[in-house]
Amino acid sequence: NAGVTQTPKFRILKIGQSMTLQCTQDMNHNYMYWYRQDPGMGLKLIYYSVGAGITDKGEVPNGYNVSRSTTEDFPLRLELAAPSQTSVYFCASSYSIGSLAPQHFGDGTRLSIL
Amino acid sequence: AQTVTQSQPEMSVQEAETVTLSCTYDTSESDYYLFWYKQPPSRQMILVIRQEAYKQQNATENRFSVNFQKAAKSFSLKISDSQLGDAAMYFCAYRSARETSGSRLTFGEGTQLTVNP
Repeated sequence: NAGVTQTPKFRILKIGQSMTLQCTQDMNHNYMYWYRQDPGMGLKLIYYSVGAGITDKGEVPNGYNVSRSTTEDFPLRLELAAPSQTSVYFCASSYSIGSLAPQHFGDGTRLSIL
Repeated sequence: AQTVTQSQPEMSVQEAETVTLSCTYDTSESDYYLFWYKQPPSRQMILVIRQEAYKQQNATENRFSVNFQKAAKSFSLKISDSQLGDAAMYFCAYRSARETSGSRLTFGEGTQLTVNP
C-alpha cells in the first residue's frame, strides 16, 4: 500500500524556470491538498481539491497552479520560479469530511530556487 | 479564519519523564476536529492523536494523551514516559467540520521537542 507518493524528492531550479510537482494517491481519497513548509515553520495550505475537476485556493496560492483530472493525481505547477518559493512541499489526501479521518501525507519535495 | 498558536518553539524533557506541549486555537465554530502530528528529522508527517470537539472525554493513545478544554480553546499534548524516539517537531492542527471547508487543516508553528538521555 503506497499511500501518497510525491516526486521528485529534491529539486533545484533556477529563477524563472517552471516545473510540476507530482502527487498520486492509491487510497481512493476524494480530498487532496498541497502544503508548503518553510524552515522552522508550520505547514501552510496552497491549494486543495474535493474531487476530480474541483480545486480551490488555500492560504498561499500565488505563484502556483493545480489541476485534478483524476481522483488519484493532484499535480502542483510552478510557472515562474522565485526564491520565495524555496520550501518543502507536502501533498496530502483524506477520505471525507464529517469524520475523524486524518490526512495522509507524502514524504515531501524539497525545492530550492537559486 | 481559524488560527492555531503553539507558544513553545522548543521544549526539552528527560528520558522517562513527562512533558506537556501547549496549543491554543481561535474559532467561532462549535464543531471541529483537533490533531497532533509529529514530524521527525525524516520529514514525515505522522498522526499522533486526534480529538472531536463534541466529545468531552480526552483522547488517549498509549503514552500520548490530550487535555482538551473547549471553553478555553486549548488542546495540549501530554507525552508520558518520554522516549528518545519521541524527539521531533510537533504540530497542532485544526479542522472545521463544515462541508464547505474541504477538510483543510490549519497548523500551528510547531514545537521542537528534545529528549535528553
